[in-house]
Amino acid sequence: AQKVTQAQTEISVVEKEDVTLDCVYETRDTTYYLFWYKQPPSGELVFLIRRNSFDEQNEISGRYSWNFQKSTSSFNFTITASQVVDSAVYFCALSGETGTASKLTFGTGTRLQVTL
Amino acid sequence: KAGVTQTPRYLIKTRGQQVTLSCSPISGHRSVSWYQQTPGQGLQFLFEYFSETQRNKGNFPGRFSGRQFSNSRSEMNVSTLELGDSALYLCASRPGQAYNEQFFGPGTRLTVL
Repeated sequence: AQKVTQAQTEISVVEKEDVTLDCVYETRDTTYYLFWYKQPPSGELVFLIRRNSFDEQNEISGRYSWNFQKSTSSFNFTITASQVVDSAVYFCALSGETGTASKLTFGTGTRLQVTL
Repeated sequence: KAGVTQTPRYLIKTRGQQVTLSCSPISGHRSVSWYQQTPGQGLQFLFEYFSETQRNKGNFPGRFSGRQFSNSRSEMNVSTLELGDSALYLCASRPGQAYNEQFFGPGTRLTVL
């Protein structure tokens, strides 16, 4: 069975601080995919990034960066110089191979509150 | 390109009733998946439809069913509603089963009284 753990329930930071959201996953699949989604108050899940199990290259995209470490089964997400608009619930998710890729297993989410 | 649309956005029903939710995927997307989000259970996968056939299914009772039409639009039906069915129901689409990223709609918030 697949499992995603987001131990941080809620994080509060002041604008311009850096913040890292943790994600630890469990799977027996050799091929799997990891995702981060953002859910603002409007409710819609916004896709941020996908990583497959063969690609451990970390990525930076603007203020966002991701750290995928297969050895520790972690897929952490960092926001640099946070802004109020970053306030949302962030979900880490895991899926198996392409045929079952629709069956996302989500973590419980981390609520990020960015204040002025 | 328009995103995933879901109707209605809000719905109030009473126990024992049934409800149908609708989802229109992004143009050209042939796969539609449904998820339930509740405070207690979080986000849970319901089922996926591709080319009018159910391809994957989560662990939900038979009261939850769905279908997909030839234009890829999908409907989800819940019969004999229970209080615990109150949730945000999210629909997601992707171009096909070879693609991994799913794009979500705004959801339908169902309240069962």
